[in-house]
Amino acid sequence: KNEVEQSPQNLTAQEGEFITINCSYSVGISALHWLQQHPGGGIVSLFMLSSGKKKHGRLIATINIQEKHSSLHITASHPRDSAVYICAADALFNYGGSQGNLIFGKGTKLSVKP
Amino acid sequence: DAGITQSPRHKVTETGTPVTLRCHQTENHRYMYWYRQDPGHGLRLIHYSYGVKDTDKGEVSDGYSVSRSKTEDFLLTLESATSSQTSVYFCAIRGLAGSSYEQYFGPGTRLTVT
Repeated sequence: KNEVEQSPQNLTAQEGEFITINCSYSVGISALHWLQQHPGGGIVSLFMLSSGKKKHGRLIATINIQEKHSSLHITASHPRDSAVYICAADALFNYGGSQGNLIFGKGTKLSVKP
Repeated sequence: DAGITQSPRHKVTETGTPVTLRCHQTENHRYMYWYRQDPGHGLRLIHYSYGVKDTDKGEVSDGYSVSRSKTEDFLLTLESATSSQTSVYFCAIRGLAGSSYEQYFGPGTRLTVT
């Protein structure tokens, strides 16, 4: 079993729809990252969460530490949101600290149709 | 722009040849990482560095070595390239964003081993 699981693997939506991507992890973490990768493009950090909720424009990320689960929401989706969304766990070392070694989910490929 | 570049951006090489990829940062960050990205596996950590001359192995380090003689440069070497090392390689740095750490990714190097 992978330590970081994402669902769904693929998602097709119509423009304007509300989108949710889920991430579950089985390791202790110092933080959970959400990343975006456009086709043929680089990787951009969207959010870094250690608790609660963060919002940036139409993007909202939440995390439930007790349930080891995070969600990324996109409100009023747009074709330019089409990309692969990746969650990554910043896993804790045995001593309780972090060196930023990320464990990645396999990504969710989102396609938003006009 | 986190000031991180990779070179070369594309490379085709033959099996058995040595290859070195360079990651350069202008931000003076302590932590640097090399990842590979493959279909079906997502991103995986190869090696990381937590300071000059301080490096450690990641999940998929076999067949790779790294060196960091200066803060700004982190080199990844494939001593004898194999076809299984055909991949997209991303370098990343870990830097403070406000009161928390973010990871910033380079543009990637597409390596093909024939």
